[in-house]
Amino acid sequence: DGGITQSPKYLFRKEGQNVTLSCEQNLNHDAMYWYRQDPGQGLRLIYYSQIVNDFQKGDIAEGYSVSREKKESFPLTVTSAQKNPTAFYLCASSIATRLSSSYNEQFFGPGTRLTVL
Amino acid sequence: EDQVTQSPEALRLQEGESSSLNCSYTVSGLRGLFWYRQDPGKGPEFLFTLYSAGEEKEKERLKATLTKKESFLHITAPKPEDSATYLCAVQAGGTSYGKLTFGQGTILTVHP
Repeated sequence: DGGITQSPKYLFRKEGQNVTLSCEQNLNHDAMYWYRQDPGQGLRLIYYSQIVNDFQKGDIAEGYSVSREKKESFPLTVTSAQKNPTAFYLCASSIATRLSSSYNEQFFGPGTRLTVL
Repeated sequence: EDQVTQSPEALRLQEGESSSLNCSYTVSGLRGLFWYRQDPGKGPEFLFTLYSAGEEKEKERLKATLTKKESFLHITAPKPEDSATYLCAVQAGGTSYGKLTFGQGTILTVHP
Protein backbone atom coordinates (compact mmCIF):
# COMPACT_ATOMS: atom_id res chain seq x y z
CA ASP A 1 0.00 0.00 0.00
CA GLY A 2 1.25 3.46 -0.87
CA GLY A 3 1.28 6.06 1.81
CA ILE A 4 3.11 8.21 4.31
CA THR A 5 4.50 6.86 7.55
CA GLN A 6 5.63 8.85 10.57
CA SER A 7 7.48 7.58 13.59
CA PRO A 8 7.34 7.48 16.45
CA LYS A 9 3.65 8.03 17.19
CA TYR A 10 4.47 9.51 20.61
CA LEU A 11 7.72 11.21 21.60
CA PHE A 12 8.84 12.72 24.86
CA ARG A 13 11.62 15.29 25.06
CA LYS A 14 13.55 16.59 28.02
CA GLU A 15 14.56 20.20 28.31
CA GLY A 16 17.63 20.98 26.20
CA GLN A 17 17.37 17.81 24.12
CA ASN A 18 17.21 17.54 20.33
CA VAL A 19 14.79 15.00 18.88
CA THR A 20 14.21 13.80 15.31
CA LEU A 21 10.84 12.90 13.81
CA SER A 22 10.79 10.51 10.89
CA CYS A 23 8.69 10.86 7.73
CA GLU A 24 8.79 8.38 4.84
CA GLN A 25 6.62 8.21 1.73
CA ASN A 26 6.36 5.62 -1.04
CA LEU A 27 4.02 7.64 -3.25
CA ASN A 28 6.87 8.85 -5.50
CA HIS A 29 5.92 12.42 -4.62
CA ASP A 30 8.37 15.22 -5.34
CA ALA A 31 7.27 17.64 -2.62
CA MET A 32 7.20 17.07 1.13
CA TYR A 33 6.10 19.31 3.98
CA TRP A 34 6.16 19.54 7.78
CA TYR A 35 3.30 21.15 9.69
CA ARG A 36 2.67 21.80 13.35
CA GLN A 37 -0.85 21.60 14.83
CA ASP A 38 -1.78 23.18 18.16
CA PRO A 39 -5.23 23.00 19.81
CA GLY A 40 -7.62 25.59 18.39
CA GLN A 41 -5.22 26.64 15.65
CA GLY A 42 -4.87 25.74 12.01
CA LEU A 43 -1.92 23.78 10.71
CA ARG A 44 1.21 25.92 10.36
CA LEU A 45 3.99 25.22 7.87
CA ILE A 46 7.46 24.59 9.34
CA TYR A 47 9.56 23.51 6.34
CA TYR A 48 8.99 22.24 2.84
CA SER A 49 11.04 20.56 0.13
CA GLN A 50 10.31 20.49 -3.58
CA ILE A 51 13.22 18.28 -4.59
CA VAL A 52 16.02 16.19 -3.13
CA ASN A 53 18.81 18.18 -1.47
CA ASP A 54 16.71 21.34 -1.40
CA PHE A 55 14.38 22.70 1.27
CA GLN A 56 12.94 26.03 2.34
CA LYS A 57 11.69 27.60 5.56
CA GLY A 58 7.98 27.90 6.13
CA ASP A 59 6.18 30.28 8.47
CA ILE A 60 7.52 28.95 11.78
CA ALA A 61 10.96 27.44 11.05
CA GLU A 62 12.82 28.82 14.09
CA GLY A 63 14.06 26.03 16.33
CA TYR A 64 13.62 23.33 13.68
CA SER A 65 15.87 21.76 11.04
CA VAL A 66 15.33 19.32 8.18
CA SER A 67 17.20 17.33 5.54
CA ARG A 68 16.14 15.82 2.20
CA GLU A 69 18.83 13.33 1.16
CA LYS A 70 16.38 10.91 -0.43
CA LYS A 71 13.13 11.49 -2.30
CA GLU A 72 11.28 9.20 0.10
CA SER A 73 12.46 10.74 3.36
CA PHE A 74 12.13 14.14 5.05
CA PRO A 75 13.13 13.98 8.74
CA LEU A 76 12.46 16.91 11.08
CA THR A 77 14.72 17.74 14.03
CA VAL A 78 13.24 19.74 16.89
CA THR A 79 16.18 21.48 18.52
CA SER A 80 16.60 22.84 22.03
CA ALA A 81 16.16 26.32 20.52
CA GLN A 82 12.44 25.61 20.00
CA LYS A 83 10.92 27.09 23.15
CA ASN A 84 7.48 25.55 22.95
CA PRO A 85 7.78 22.25 21.07
CA THR A 86 4.82 20.42 22.58
CA ALA A 87 2.46 19.88 19.63
CA PHE A 88 1.15 17.42 17.04
CA TYR A 89 3.51 17.23 14.04
CA LEU A 90 2.24 16.29 10.62
CA CYS A 91 4.19 15.37 7.51
CA ALA A 92 2.62 15.69 4.06
CA SER A 93 3.56 15.13 0.45
CA SER A 94 2.25 16.09 -2.97
CA ILE A 95 3.03 15.15 -6.55
CA ALA A 96 4.14 18.56 -7.74
CA THR A 97 4.16 22.18 -6.75
CA ARG A 98 4.70 23.94 -10.05
CA LEU A 99 2.26 26.70 -10.89
CA SER A 100 1.18 24.91 -14.03
CA SER A 101 0.36 21.67 -12.28
CA SER A 102 -3.10 20.74 -11.12
CA TYR A 103 -1.81 18.06 -8.76
CA ASN A 104 -1.69 20.19 -5.65
CA GLU A 105 -3.42 17.94 -3.16
CA GLN A 106 -1.29 17.24 -0.11
CA PHE A 107 -1.61 13.88 1.59
CA PHE A 108 -0.81 13.56 5.26
CA GLY A 109 0.82 10.99 7.49
CA PRO A 110 -0.64 9.83 10.83
CA GLY A 111 1.32 12.37 12.88
CA THR A 112 3.73 12.39 15.83
CA ARG A 113 2.70 13.85 19.17
CA LEU A 114 5.68 15.47 20.89
CA THR A 115 5.56 16.29 24.59
CA VAL A 116 8.19 18.16 26.58
CA LEU A 117 8.74 16.73 30.06
CA GLU B 1 -1.87 37.88 3.75
CA ASP B 2 -4.02 34.84 2.97
CA GLN B 3 -6.69 34.11 5.57
CA VAL B 4 -9.15 31.28 6.13
CA THR B 5 -11.99 31.40 8.68
CA GLN B 6 -14.22 28.43 9.39
CA SER B 7 -17.60 28.55 11.09
CA PRO B 8 -19.06 27.37 13.30
CA GLU B 9 -16.20 26.25 15.56
CA ALA B 10 -18.32 23.32 16.69
CA LEU B 11 -21.55 21.82 15.39
CA ARG B 12 -23.75 19.20 17.02
CA LEU B 13 -26.31 17.38 14.89
CA GLN B 14 -28.74 14.57 15.36
CA GLU B 15 -28.37 11.65 13.01
CA GLY B 16 -30.17 12.50 9.78
CA GLU B 17 -30.16 16.26 10.44
CA SER B 18 -28.57 17.92 7.40
CA SER B 19 -26.44 21.06 7.76
CA SER B 20 -23.55 23.04 6.26
CA LEU B 21 -20.07 24.09 7.33
CA ASN B 22 -18.65 27.40 6.10
CA CYS B 23 -15.15 28.34 4.97
CA SER B 24 -14.57 32.03 4.22
CA TYR B 25 -11.30 33.01 2.61
CA THR B 26 -9.27 35.96 1.39
CA VAL B 27 -6.44 35.07 -0.95
CA SER B 28 -4.48 36.74 -3.70
CA GLY B 29 -5.62 34.65 -6.63
CA LEU B 30 -7.10 31.32 -5.61
CA ARG B 31 -5.32 28.33 -7.07
CA GLY B 32 -7.29 25.74 -5.14
CA LEU B 33 -9.47 25.21 -2.08
CA PHE B 34 -9.13 21.95 -0.19
CA TRP B 35 -11.34 20.13 2.33
CA TYR B 36 -9.93 17.57 4.75
CA ARG B 37 -11.43 15.40 7.45
CA GLN B 38 -9.42 14.77 10.63
CA ASP B 39 -10.23 12.20 13.28
CA PRO B 40 -8.85 12.68 16.82
CA GLY B 41 -5.14 11.88 17.05
CA LYS B 42 -4.82 11.19 13.32
CA GLY B 43 -3.58 13.00 10.24
CA PRO B 44 -6.00 14.87 7.95
CA GLU B 45 -7.67 12.82 5.23
CA PHE B 46 -8.11 14.50 1.85
CA LEU B 47 -11.72 14.96 0.72
CA PHE B 48 -12.05 17.50 -2.11
CA THR B 49 -10.26 20.08 -4.22
CA LEU B 50 -12.22 22.97 -5.77
CA TYR B 51 -10.58 25.22 -8.33
CA SER B 52 -13.13 27.77 -9.55
CA ALA B 53 -16.32 29.52 -8.44
CA GLY B 54 -19.41 27.48 -9.21
CA GLU B 55 -17.62 24.16 -8.95
CA GLU B 56 -19.21 21.38 -6.88
CA LYS B 57 -17.94 17.98 -5.80
CA GLU B 58 -19.68 15.13 -3.99
CA LYS B 59 -18.62 12.11 -2.00
CA GLU B 60 -21.21 9.98 -0.24
CA ARG B 61 -23.09 12.31 2.15
CA LEU B 62 -20.73 15.25 1.57
CA LYS B 63 -20.98 17.96 -1.06
CA ALA B 64 -18.53 20.84 -1.39
CA THR B 65 -19.32 24.08 -3.22
CA LEU B 66 -17.25 27.15 -4.00
CA THR B 67 -17.95 30.86 -4.56
CA LYS B 68 -15.49 33.72 -4.96
CA LYS B 69 -15.44 34.36 -1.21
CA GLU B 70 -16.39 31.12 0.51
CA SER B 71 -16.90 27.41 0.35
CA PHE B 72 -19.57 25.26 1.93
CA LEU B 73 -19.40 21.64 2.97
CA HIS B 74 -22.95 20.31 2.97
CA ILE B 75 -23.64 17.18 4.98
CA THR B 76 -26.82 15.34 4.04
CA ALA B 77 -28.43 12.95 6.51
CA PRO B 78 -25.26 12.59 8.60
CA LYS B 79 -24.38 9.47 10.54
CA PRO B 80 -22.39 9.20 13.79
CA GLU B 81 -19.36 8.05 11.77
CA ASP B 82 -19.27 11.48 10.12
CA SER B 83 -18.18 12.95 13.46
CA ALA B 84 -14.74 14.53 12.97
CA THR B 85 -12.98 17.86 12.55
CA TYR B 86 -13.34 19.26 9.05
CA LEU B 87 -10.48 21.44 7.82
CA CYS B 88 -10.49 23.92 4.97
CA ALA B 89 -7.32 25.20 3.28
CA VAL B 90 -6.49 27.50 0.38
CA GLN B 91 -3.58 27.67 -2.00
CA ALA B 92 -2.78 31.07 -3.47
CA GLY B 93 -1.88 31.54 -7.09
CA GLY B 94 1.23 33.52 -6.21
CA THR B 95 2.95 30.72 -4.31
CA SER B 96 5.52 28.63 -6.10
CA TYR B 97 5.66 25.72 -3.69
CA GLY B 98 2.12 24.66 -2.95
CA LYS B 99 1.78 26.31 0.46
CA LEU B 100 -1.59 25.69 2.09
CA THR B 101 -3.18 28.16 4.52
CA PHE B 102 -5.53 26.33 6.90
CA GLY B 103 -8.55 27.43 8.87
CA GLN B 104 -9.00 26.39 12.51
CA GLY B 105 -11.47 23.67 11.64
CA THR B 106 -15.09 22.82 12.53
CA ILE B 107 -15.64 20.05 15.05
CA LEU B 108 -18.70 18.07 13.96
CA THR B 109 -20.47 15.73 16.36
CA VAL B 110 -23.37 13.61 15.12
CA HIS B 111 -25.49 12.00 17.82
CA PRO B 112 -27.38 8.76 17.15
